[in-house]
Amino acid sequence: ETGVTQSPTHLIKTRGQQVTLRCSSQSGHNTVSWYQQALGQGPQFIFQYYREEENGRGNFPPRFSGLQFPNYSSELNVNALELDDSALYLCASSLAISNEQYFGPGTRLTVT
Amino acid sequence: GQQLNQSPQSMFIQEGEDVSMNCTSSSIFNTWLWYKQEPGEGPVLLIALYKAGELTSNGRLTAQFGITRKDSFLNISASIPSDVGIYFCAGLRNYGQNFVFGPGTRLSVLP
Repeated sequence: ETGVTQSPTHLIKTRGQQVTLRCSSQSGHNTVSWYQQALGQGPQFIFQYYREEENGRGNFPPRFSGLQFPNYSSELNVNALELDDSALYLCASSLAISNEQYFGPGTRLTVT
Repeated sequence: GQQLNQSPQSMFIQEGEDVSMNCTSSSIFNTWLWYKQEPGEGPVLLIALYKAGELTSNGRLTAQFGITRKDSFLNISASIPSDVGIYFCAGLRNYGQNFVFGPGTRLSVLP
C-alpha cells in the first residue's frame, strides 16, 4: 500500500509568482486535506476536498485554491505569492470526511 | 487561531524516564488524534481516540480521551533517543468539520 506522496519536495519562488503543489492520496482514500505549517507552529487547515468537491475551508484568502481529480489526487495553487507564504505545506488523506488523516512528507516553499 | 493548547511547550528528559503531556481546550471534541513529527517530515499518526474515557496504547505510548471531552493525554514510558520530536494533538469537534491542531510539545531525550 502506497502512502501519501507530495511533489515537489522543495520549491523557491519569488514574491508575486504563482505555485502549484501536488499530492497523491493513500490508496482507497477519497478525502484530501491541505495544511500550512509555519516554522515552530502546528499545521493550519487550508481546505479539504471530498470526492472532487471542496468540503470546508480555513481562514486563508481566495488566492489559495485547490482541485481534486477523479483518482483523488489533489493540487494546491497559490497565486500572488507573499513572503509570509513561506512554510511547509502538508497534504493529508483519509478514508472519508472526519476520519483519521495520514500525512505526506510535505513541500517546503520558500518565497523570496 | 489555535483552539487547542498543549503543555508543556517543550521538555528535556533523561533516557529511560516516562513522559506525560496534555492537550486542552475550552470546547468539547469528539475525536482526538496524536501525531509525532520529526524534522523535515510530515506528522505520523500515533494514536486515535473516539470515546470519552478511552485509553489506547501503541507500544510504549498510551493516550487517553479525557472524560470531560475537553482534553486528552499522551504518555510515553521508558523514553529512548528516537522518541525525540514534536508531538501534536488534533481534535475534531463534529462530523463534517475539520481537525484542529495544537501548537505541539517538543520532546528532547538526553542520553
